[in-house]
Formats: sequence, structure tokens, C-alpha cells
Amino acid sequence: NAGVTQTPKFQVLKTGQSMTLQCAQDMNHNSMYWYRQDPGMGLRLIYYSASEGTTDKGEVPNGYNVSRLNKREFSLRLESAAPSQTSVYFCASSSSGVSSYNEQFFGPGTRLTVL
Amino acid sequence: TQLLEQSPQFLSIQEGENLTVYCNSSSVFSSLQWYRQEPGEGPVLLVTVVTGGEVKKLKRLTFQFGDARKDSSLHITAAQPGDTGLYLCAGDRTGRRALTFGSGTRLQVQP
Repeated sequence: NAGVTQTPKFQVLKTGQSMTLQCAQDMNHNSMYWYRQDPGMGLRLIYYSASEGTTDKGEVPNGYNVSRLNKREFSLRLESAAPSQTSVYFCASSSSGVSSYNEQFFGPGTRLTVL
Repeated sequence: TQLLEQSPQFLSIQEGENLTVYCNSSSVFSSLQWYRQEPGEGPVLLVTVVTGGEVKKLKRLTFQFGDARKDSSLHITAAQPGDTGLYLCAGDRTGRRALTFGSGTRLQVQP
């Protein structure tokens, strides 16, 4: 099992360009998440999807859109990239069963630089 | 304002020393998790504590959940260079679908 995979691993964009970060999980988890990690800020939730077909805003959703394509895949789109979106982006998934404590499994991250 | 405050932010110690990392909040959590993140990788779950006063041990790491379920601590005995990394606490609140993460404690263990 690969767990949570993310593509690409690195990306450099110019201000105003768009791109989509891809995430897939093979653990049959219902919930998926997108976080960004900046120095000294820990992990901040951008969007999450509690189940296939639903998405909800997190703490810092502005400038981003998401798509829960199916149970396995959850993508994050930057329509018009800004330098403030330079960050490391992590996708995560969790089981949302009755005995679950929302424990999360993370992908390796995408390091995005916006010039 | 961070809902979960971690301290210290940075810690550099010698191999063999003991250390404690704290995670504090004014909110009650139904469970609290600790993750470790190594450079260039995603966080990896170490432990989940769910009962007030609970203590869990993972080899040289001891995790405690506060009686009121508002705080937690991580104690490492005889630290080793392999313990180097970013330690993150994360709380799960009843009715919320997403975790709240602390800002992290960056630990460097010198050989």
C-alpha cells in the first residue's frame, strides 16, 4: 500500500499562474484534508472533505478551490497564484468510523514557490 | 491566536539528556494526538490519548493527557539523534471534523 501520495513534489510558479495539486489515498478513508505549513505556524487547514461529494472550508481557504473527485482522490487548485501562497502543502486522510479519533495519515508534501 | 500552544518552540540538547514538550489550550479536547515530522516528509502519528490523566509510553517517549483534557506533555528520556524532528500536537474537539494543530516544537539532539 502506498498510503497517501501527492504530486508534484516541487513546483515553481509565477504570480498569476494556476495549478492543481493532486492527492490520492489507498486506505479506503472517508475523510481527506489539505493543509499548508509555514515556518512557525504549524499546520493550517485549507479545506477538507468529510466524505465523497462534500467539501468544507478550513482556517485559510481564500485563494484555493478543491475537488473530491472520488473516494480516493482530493485535489487542490490555485486559480491565480500569489507569493503569499508559497508554502509546503500536505494532503492527509483519516477514517471517520465510530472508533476513530480522526487520526491522520499524511502524504510527503508539495513544496510550492510562487515568484 | 493559536488554539493549541506548544512550548518550547525550539530545543537543542545533547544526546542522553531528558526533555519535556508541552501542549496547552483553554479548550477541552475529546482526544489529543502527537505527531513527529522529519525534514522533507509529512507528519507521522506517534500516539493518541483520549482519557483525562492518561499516560502512554512508547519506548523512551512518555505522553500524558491532562486531567481536564486541555493539555498534554511529551517527555523523552535519554534523547538520541534519531529523535530529532518537529513534534506537533493536535486536538480533536467533539463535533468538529478536523483536527487543530499546535505550532510545533523543533527538537535537535546533538551526538
